Amino acid sequence: AQKVTQAQTEISVVEKEDVTLDCVYETRDTTYYLFWYKQPPSGELVFLIRRNSFDEQNEISGRYSWNFQKSTSSFNFTITASQVVDSAVYFCALSSIQGAQKLVFGQGTRLTINP
Amino acid sequence: NAGVTQTPKFQVLKTGQSMTLQCAQDMNHEYMSWYRQDPGMGLRLIHYSVGAGITDQGEVPNGYNVSRSTTEDFPLRLLSAAPSQTSVYFCASSYGRTGGGNTIYFGEGSWLTVV
Repeated sequence: AQKVTQAQTEISVVEKEDVTLDCVYETRDTTYYLFWYKQPPSGELVFLIRRNSFDEQNEISGRYSWNFQKSTSSFNFTITASQVVDSAVYFCALSSIQGAQKLVFGQGTRLTINP
Repeated sequence: NAGVTQTPKFQVLKTGQSMTLQCAQDMNHEYMSWYRQDPGMGLRLIHYSVGAGITDQGEVPNGYNVSRSTTEDFPLRLLSAAPSQTSVYFCASSYGRTGGGNTIYFGEGSWLTVV
């Protein structure tokens, strides 16, 4: 079975602090894909990144970075120098070649950036 | 380019009523799906379609019907609304199969309350 765990239900930091959101996944498939989505207070889901299981390179996009470690089945997301606009619920999700047409989502982490 | 469009955005239903949530995409995506989002549970797949005329059940299909007569549209029907169907509903689409790593794009969500 596939499972995604985001153990941090809520995180609150002061603006300009760095913050890391954890994501741990379970799958028996060798080919799979990991995603992060952002859900701002307005409610829509915004795609942030997709990573396949064969690419363990870390990725950086501006203040955002992602650390994929197959050895620990983790795909963590770090925001550097956080801003109030980063306040949102962040979801980690998993899909696989063998799975049905679906994303398996974690429970989400609510991030609050305080000014 | 509108992307994935859902209507209505907000709806209140009485128990036992039926209704249809509309979803349309203008990206010529073959794959479409419906998810529901409940507090603390992330998003769960209700039904999905891999092309016009083809639909299948997801993780939580009971109480919902779908059809796919065109590539663009994928309506979700609640047959006899129950309070347990109070949720936020997201329609999504992708160019190809989720398990193939294709990015899924979501609509803005429909907030449904059943009283």
